[in-house]
Amino acid sequence: EDQVTQSPEALRLQEGESSSLNCSYTVSGLRGLFWYRQDPGKGPEFLFTLYSAGEEKEKERLKATLTKKESFLHITAPKPEDSATYLCAVRTHNTDKLIFGTGTRLQVFP
Amino acid sequence: GAGVSQSPSNKVTEKGKDVELRCDPISGHTALYWYRQSLGQGLEFLIYFQGNSAPDKSGLPSDRFSAERTGGSVSTLTIQRTQQEDSAVYLCASTPPTSGTTQYFGPGTRLTVL
Repeated sequence: EDQVTQSPEALRLQEGESSSLNCSYTVSGLRGLFWYRQDPGKGPEFLFTLYSAGEEKEKERLKATLTKKESFLHITAPKPEDSATYLCAVRTHNTDKLIFGTGTRLQVFP
Repeated sequence: GAGVSQSPSNKVTEKGKDVELRCDPISGHTALYWYRQSLGQGLEFLIYFQGNSAPDKSGLPSDRFSAERTGGSVSTLTIQRTQQEDSAVYLCASTPPTSGTTQYFGPGTRLTVL
């Protein structure tokens, strides 16, 4: 069964304290791994799509990487406005629907 | 341009009543998806429309749930005889007419069944 697991469930960081969020997956043929940011009371906001192992994408303080088993979202020198829930999702060769992990709730304190 | 819009933003209903949730996708997007997000759980796929193809209904949790998409644009998700376990945020997403591309989400409808 296709599965996505995110860790940790919650992460508290001091402003400027870099860290990484993990998304491990078990799927029958990956056709894209997606990272979203979700603020309370809002829909997920697209961040990155990764398609193949070794691929990396960056946006401001965020960098996403992909291996054959997992993806990392690296946050460099985070700011309080980076506080949100970060969701990982995969699309497989069998379907166009996304399979989501349960997310990592990030809190960055000044 | 305008993003995906959903209405209402909040809906409170009594157990046993029917509800309709609306989604307006981004103009020109051909695929439309419905997901459900329950407290403490990940987004759960419900149904998917792609152009004129038959919808993928494999995620609908029961026959009380149905959805339609009129004119290849607006979609309505209907829940009949609502139950308390239907309380969740219902999210809609759309993608442009290229396979394997990103899903863009609306703000969601928060449904509370009393």
